[in-house]
Amino acid sequence: EVQLVESGGGLVQPGRSLKLSCVASGFTFSNYGMNWIRQAPGKGLEWVAYISSGSSYIYYAETVKGRFTISRDNAKNTLYLQMTSLRSEDTALYYCARVYSSYILFDYWGQGVMVTVSS
Amino acid sequence: DVQMTQSPSNLAASPGESVSINCKASKSISKYLAWYQQKPGKANKLLIYSGSTLQSGTPSRFSGSGSGTDFTLTIRNLEPEDFGLYYCQQHNEYPPTFGAGTKLELK
Repeated sequence: EVQLVESGGGLVQPGRSLKLSCVASGFTFSNYGMNWIRQAPGKGLEWVAYISSGSSYIYYAETVKGRFTISRDNAKNTLYLQMTSLRSEDTALYYCARVYSSYILFDYWGQGVMVTVSS
Repeated sequence: DVQMTQSPSNLAASPGESVSINCKASKSISKYLAWYQQKPGKANKLLIYSGSTLQSGTPSRFSGSGSGTDFTLTIRNLEPEDFGLYYCQQHNEYPPTFGAGTKLELK
């Protein structure tokens, strides 16, 4: 069974940093591209970042480019999102999600981890 | 970025009825439109991709249609477990973008 479990969220002050993790199991992690997608409270879904299976290709949403860094450790089956210079508008539930085949879509999602940016 | 406009925002229906949810892209995305279901306490579920291809495990009462800029998700013979939030997403180009969602509620 495919499982994606996020961790590392919490309350952080504006301008500070936070690192999220997503541990994958039930599939060969190193064969799949992975993404971070977020959802602000009461709002819709916003794609944040993508990393290819071997980390060769990385894409970011313009809203986080230069502040967030996606990375992965295939030996540890873990996806990361390093978030710096956090803003109140980054407050959201952050999901990790697996890429489906070669498409730009997501076939398995984690339950999400909450990040709250507030003073 | 491709803007996705989803309608209606809210929809009330009874089990056994059929409903349709629409999604309009700001430019042509060919057939590359996906639909997801979101329910509290459950992982988001990919239902349909490439406009009309059912993801493995998606019940046949779900169907998708459309191409270019206009797409529709139809759910026939609603079951109790179908109530929740539905999102469309274009998967034609980066960045992938989502509609604002449709809340399907029990009438």
